[in-house]
Parts: sequence; C-alpha cells; structure tokens
Amino acid sequence: GENVEQHPSTLSVQEGDSAVIKCTYSDSASNYFPWYKQELGKRPQLIIDIRSNVGEKKDQRIAVTLNKTAKHFSLHITETQPEDSAVYFCAAKRGFGNEKLTFGTGTRLTIIP
Amino acid sequence: SAVISQKPSRDICQRGTSLTIQCQVDSQVTMMFWYRQQPGQSLTLIATANQGSEATYESGFVIDKFPISRPNLTFSTLTVSNMSPEDSSIYLCSVLQGANTGELFFGEGSRLTVL
Repeated sequence: GENVEQHPSTLSVQEGDSAVIKCTYSDSASNYFPWYKQELGKRPQLIIDIRSNVGEKKDQRIAVTLNKTAKHFSLHITETQPEDSAVYFCAAKRGFGNEKLTFGTGTRLTIIP
Repeated sequence: SAVISQKPSRDICQRGTSLTIQCQVDSQVTMMFWYRQQPGQSLTLIATANQGSEATYESGFVIDKFPISRPNLTFSTLTVSNMSPEDSSIYLCSVLQGANTGELFFGEGSRLTVL
C-alpha cells in the first residue's frame, strides 16, 4: 500500500519568513495530493490540493509543488503569520473518489512573532 | 460544505467498557470513513462504512474491536469495545466533500480518554 513520509516533524519560522514542508510517497499510481491544517483541538481542514496532471498550484500565500518522477511534493507558505501555527499533514491517494487517503506523519509549524 | 455532527465530543471511560460514537451527516453519502488520531500522531484509517454492507477494515483493525453500523446514507456509528488506555485517541468520521473532488471533510472528532 501507499506510504507517505513527511519532513520536518517540527518547524519554527520567524513571522514573515517562508516555511516549506516536504513529503514523499511510494505508490506511483497515486494522483491526488491534499494538504490539511489542524489547529489545536480542531479537526483537520483541507487548505490546498494538487492533482498529478499539474506541477504547481498556488492559493494566495500557500503553494504546492509536485514532482511525479521523484514522487515528492511540497507545501510552501510565504509571509507567514501567527495564525499559520498549526500541524500540517500531507496525504496521497489514487483517484478522486472513495479510495483510501494515506496521511503523512505531520509537521508542527510554529510561527515566532 | 457538508455538516457532520459527532457525538460525544469527548468522554472519559473506564477500562473494559465500550463506547459508541455517532456520526450524522446533513446529506446522503455513499461512504463514511472512520479515522483514529492517537495523541500527537497522524490520522489512521480504521474502516470504511458502506450503507447496506459490512464495513471494510484496514490492516490492524478488526470488527470485534471496532464494530461499525451504517443503517442509512446519513448516519454511522463506531463502537470502541473493551477499551484499554491504548484506545485513548480522537476518533473522527469523514466523508467526501463531493463526487470526484477527492476532498475529505472531517467531523469535529470524539476525544476518548480511557482510565
């Protein structure tokens, strides 16, 4: 089955600087890669996703890049703000329906004011 | 977005007892997914609940420990049976946000503490 590795496990960034979180996946058939943000005591929420037919996707201060050949994808957050502090999970799956979504181990991002 | 109501939101349970978590969705969905999140850990899929058939369990999870019901297209329950402290976790139900979107939408979760 799919295996998703995520690095780093913790990341501290000065407010205003950029943060990058990286994930690798094992199943070459995976074609959907979402990123979830989980604030303390709350449910995970989708912040951005990318499909395998696209190499990069951007939404305001966040962007995701995908390298299918190397089987890795990254989350980039620019101009970080205190409200970006949370745990971020990458994930991967085949298809866009009821297939199993496999999550990475998570990155705790702390923005230092 | 789908509205998912989970009950209880939290509970403290005694070792050896069982607890049933309820998940209600405001729209009909084909499948509902139950995840476990152990303290400080990632999300692990327990099982997929199909309406009208038995749930499909992931490796490491068995029906005797985590029986699931899915009586209709908007409701599911997960029971954590014969609990031990190792079962202390957040249990989350989730549904696909829409057909062919891929996006998984989570309920608020049920935080169980087993003493």
